[in-house]
Amino acid sequence: DAGVTQSPTHLIKTRGQHVTLRCSPISGHKSVSWYQQVLGQGPQFIFQYYEKEERGRGNFPDRFSARQFPNYSSELNVNALLLGDSALYLCASSLAGAAYLGTEAFFGQGTRLTVV
Amino acid sequence: EDKVVQSPLSLVVHEGDTVTLNCSYEVTNFRSLLWYKQEKKAPTFLFMLTSSGIEKKSGRLSSILDKKELSSILNITATQTGDSAIYLCAVEVREGRSNAGNNRKLIWGLGTSLAVNP
Repeated sequence: DAGVTQSPTHLIKTRGQHVTLRCSPISGHKSVSWYQQVLGQGPQFIFQYYEKEERGRGNFPDRFSARQFPNYSSELNVNALLLGDSALYLCASSLAGAAYLGTEAFFGQGTRLTVV
Repeated sequence: EDKVVQSPLSLVVHEGDTVTLNCSYEVTNFRSLLWYKQEKKAPTFLFMLTSSGIEKKSGRLSSILDKKELSSILNITATQTGDSAIYLCAVEVREGRSNAGNNRKLIWGLGTSLAVNP
């Protein structure tokens, strides 16, 4: 019974580069959300996708983009990386169309991104 | 079954009023309690609470966790029309059912819809 899987687990990039993070939801889940979490803070909502359509977008610059594939896996792309993008990026999988409002969302282990 | 209950579901106040929103939970393997504000389609993080009795404050908003009562409150003083939003509470738990062992799960409440009238 595989949970939410994310890759890579750790990543070091230099400023200005771009990065692609990947997520596979729990089998049967059609909703994937992405969060950014910095140390000592709660997860900041970046995007939510359901059935390959964007359902929600947080207050992040256009350098952040995402997509969901027919198999419900998802990619988060970040262009022109800044030092401040260093964080733990979490993918959450849920069954329902909304990633919140009374739902349960299962997090993956996250991708630790360090920008130097 | 893990659950998060928010009250009230809806609240209408006048500008300048003080409001208190409640979140109670019944979960196993509690990790943290989170408050978010949702104005359009996406929630914005407000507070993360892990320890009982320590107030977190940001401007006119403050929040505190009571682990004994399994609850948290979010206070907003001197409310403004811009505070009108849905306030979401979520509890993060350690989810150990998968083979990954130490997964985290976020359980969302249904939110409190706050309307602040001028």
